[in-house]
Amino acid sequence: GEDVEQSLFLSVREGDSSVINCTYTDSSSTYLYWYKQEPGAGLQLLTYIFSNMDMKQDQRLTVLLNKKDKHLSLRIADTQTGDSAIYFCAESIVTGTASKLTFGTGTRLQVTL
Amino acid sequence: KAGVTQTPRYLIKTRGQQVTLSCSPISGHRSVSWYQQTPGQGLQFLFEYFSETQRNKGNFPGRFSGRQFSNSRSEMNVSTLELGDSALYLCASSGGQGYQETQYFGPGTRLLVL
Repeated sequence: GEDVEQSLFLSVREGDSSVINCTYTDSSSTYLYWYKQEPGAGLQLLTYIFSNMDMKQDQRLTVLLNKKDKHLSLRIADTQTGDSAIYFCAESIVTGTASKLTFGTGTRLQVTL
Repeated sequence: KAGVTQTPRYLIKTRGQQVTLSCSPISGHRSVSWYQQTPGQGLQFLFEYFSETQRNKGNFPGRFSGRQFSNSRSEMNVSTLELGDSALYLCASSGGQGYQETQYFGPGTRLLVL
């Protein structure tokens, strides 16, 4: 089935690390993505991970993938006020030669001073 | 490279009307996908076009349709608008060479149906 779950809200203090979690159900997902959405804006691609990887690091972002538990996490180091946004994880569902993204509900990250 | 562009950015319509939204993909990208974002249902896949052909379709009624032109630009149309069609409509483009191409999103068109 296709279902991606995330917690709705996370509050962290500026300078701390943020960890946003996601669980998915489709074991055939090959790529998993993290997108960021700021108020009134579209989706900004942050990073993605291929399913045969356990971890990917990109500057302040670290993605961890536990394929056995179908669990994905995004860690943001040294969180800044500009990181305040909604973060969506998404899995790529393949049907024949076509794919689509199935998104989680989104986690609203609030960064406080 | 310019990003994905969507026009118009904002739109107000009344129930029963129809609307057409436009999306221009990143230069060189051949696949365009459309998503609907609402507070209640979140982000849902509408359809995907590749080389002027609909390659994938989500679970939306037939009132929602789309097309793609030879220059990869895409339009989506919603006929007989309902209040529940009020949403942010997002378009995404990808290279389309394989089926795991990363999708890049436009700023969206915010549609309000009164």
